[in-house]
Amino acid sequence: AQSVAQPEDQVNVAEGNPLTVKCTYSVSGNPYLFWYVQYPNRGLQFLLKYITGDNLVKGSYGFEAEFNKSQTSFHLKKPSALVSDSALYFCAVPDLSGGSYIPTFGRGTSLIVHP
Amino acid sequence: GAVVSQHPSWVICKSGTSVKIECRSLDFQATTMFWYRQFPKQSLMLMATSNEGSKATYEQGVEKDKFLINHASLTLSTLTVTSAHPEDSSFYICSARDPGGGSVYTQYFGPGTRLTVL
Repeated sequence: AQSVAQPEDQVNVAEGNPLTVKCTYSVSGNPYLFWYVQYPNRGLQFLLKYITGDNLVKGSYGFEAEFNKSQTSFHLKKPSALVSDSALYFCAVPDLSGGSYIPTFGRGTSLIVHP
Repeated sequence: GAVVSQHPSWVICKSGTSVKIECRSLDFQATTMFWYRQFPKQSLMLMATSNEGSKATYEQGVEKDKFLINHASLTLSTLTVTSAHPEDSSFYICSARDPGGGSVYTQYFGPGTRLTVL
């Protein structure tokens, strides 16, 4: 079964500092990996995805993620955090079996950016 | 990008009543939509897959008679919480794939519906 793990419940960072939200994966075959962001009382918004190609994927709002096969990781990064980046972040992997593509989400990491 | 809407965004009801939540794909047709439930500060739990013109597929442990799903058209799926109880209070989110979009793997999520049962 495919799964992703987010080891941190919460990440705190000062505004202007770089941020990293961690995700590791366990999949059979080539992984397809996603990051979503959820603002309070809102649905999830797509940030970026890795399907194939360059290991560094650039996404919305200045976020990027680095796919690392040897470490089975797909950490989300941003060079300079903004207070408005404070939200809940989910790593996800779609179920490729049977064509459903239904994502399995990590438990989520709450990012808090302090002014 | 593809847009999914939900209505209402917030609903409060009395215990024992039924509540209907609508999920619409605004600029694309979705043969399949998904319903999730999310508890505070937790991940999304897939409840069911809604298929246009056929019965929904429920995940293990989800009561199909409690959570009625109807996917009457290619742009609308509804979730009805029947005989609601306080433990049904939660954040309900729908999603859909855009078959005409760039990636079949990308889900587009509605803004969610906050249900509070008194």
